[in-house]
This record gives sequence, C-alpha cells and structure tokens, in this order.
Amino acid sequence: DAGITQSPRHKVTETGTPVTLRCHQTENHRYMYWYRQDPGHGLRLIHYSYGVKDTDKGEVSDGYSVSRSKTEDFLLTLESATSSQTSVYFCAIGTSVYSYEQYFGPGTRLTVT
Amino acid sequence: KNEVEQSPQNLTAQEGEFITINCSYSVGISALHWLQQHPGGGIVSLFMLSSGKKKHGRLIATINIQEKHSSLHITASHPRDSAVYICAVRSGAGGATNKLIFGTGTLLAVQP
Repeated sequence: DAGITQSPRHKVTETGTPVTLRCHQTENHRYMYWYRQDPGHGLRLIHYSYGVKDTDKGEVSDGYSVSRSKTEDFLLTLESATSSQTSVYFCAIGTSVYSYEQYFGPGTRLTVT
Repeated sequence: KNEVEQSPQNLTAQEGEFITINCSYSVGISALHWLQQHPGGGIVSLFMLSSGKKKHGRLIATINIQEKHSSLHITASHPRDSAVYICAVRSGAGGATNKLIFGTGTLLAVQP
C-alpha cells in the first residue's frame, strides 16, 4: 500500500469553526489531491497540488483552501465550516503525469453540526 | 448529465455468478480506471486501461475507445467481492495535473 495517512480520521465540529485536515505521504510523490465523496455524487476534486507551494482549484473549491509547504504534507482547511461540508474527504497522491495512477488515503469523515 | 455514467447503480448476486458492471463516458480520455471501495474502507485501484483488456485474478476489465464504454467483469463471484466499484476517467490528451472524473459507483452485494 502507498504510504498515505490522513488525520483526523473522524471529526465532528460546529458550524462556523475552522477545520484543518492533514494528508501525509511517505512516497515523495509530486502530485497530491483532495476529494470529497457524497451520496449520489462521484468523488469530486476540491484542490490539488503539483509541487511544494504549487496548488490549484478543482471543481468544488469554494469554502476550502489548501497549503503545501513540504512535499509530504497537503493540508485542507475549511475556514468557516458549514453543514454542506459534511462529507468524507479523501486525499490521493499521483506518481507522475505519465503514470496516471492515483493512490488514495483512508479518508476522513467530517460532520458539521 | 454526468460525464461518467455507471450501470447498474446497485447489484445483488449469488455467490458464483458472473458479474458485469458497465461504465460509459462522454469525454475524450487518455485512461480509464476501475476502483474498489469496501464499506467504511479506503479506495483501491484495480485497473488502469487505455485500450483493450486487462485481467487480474477473477477480475477482467475491457474498454472500447470508439464506443466510449468499459466493463468490469467478476468471474465466480464471492461475498468478499461485495463493495462499491467506481469508474473514473482521465480526460483529455494529458497534461500536468492528472485529474480524474469519477462515476457515482456501483454497489455490489454478493450473497452466500
């Protein structure tokens, strides 16, 4: 298994509070991704990174920000959590633009009350 | 309409049956992935295809680029195959971002 961990694995928070999810990899891969998974929807890309300090928006980026100060860590921040951000969040890493493979972390279940 | 459609959405089979899950897409792609997600579990890549057919154990994946269609087959199904199977495509001719477009998944339950 690719060395990807996510923390926390479960979190319950209140509307309006900031939340940061962490993705950590030990594979030294360049590409990292944050997805959310909701019933009735496929996995949807929130933000991605193609290198340290290089990030870009995905299709559902509103309300989320990311940072990548080290190759191994990709942080997802909800500045002010809303109930619509209740979801399961997956981090993934990609080996290269030519490989196309992505490896997924175990997921973080976030509930915003 | 979603760019990646899977059918069926739900499938119940008896142990030993041959199973087929279908994926159709409406965009040009450079690769197609089949992924497996067990209940409460993470997501595992099963196959990546850009043409033809691949086989791994009891799993077979095929793709028809002209018809924009892929199938995942499971032979001699077993209860441990029960999971959500997800089709995902990498659109376009390539690029630096390697982004995927996902289907909504097929929930498979194999009964003993």
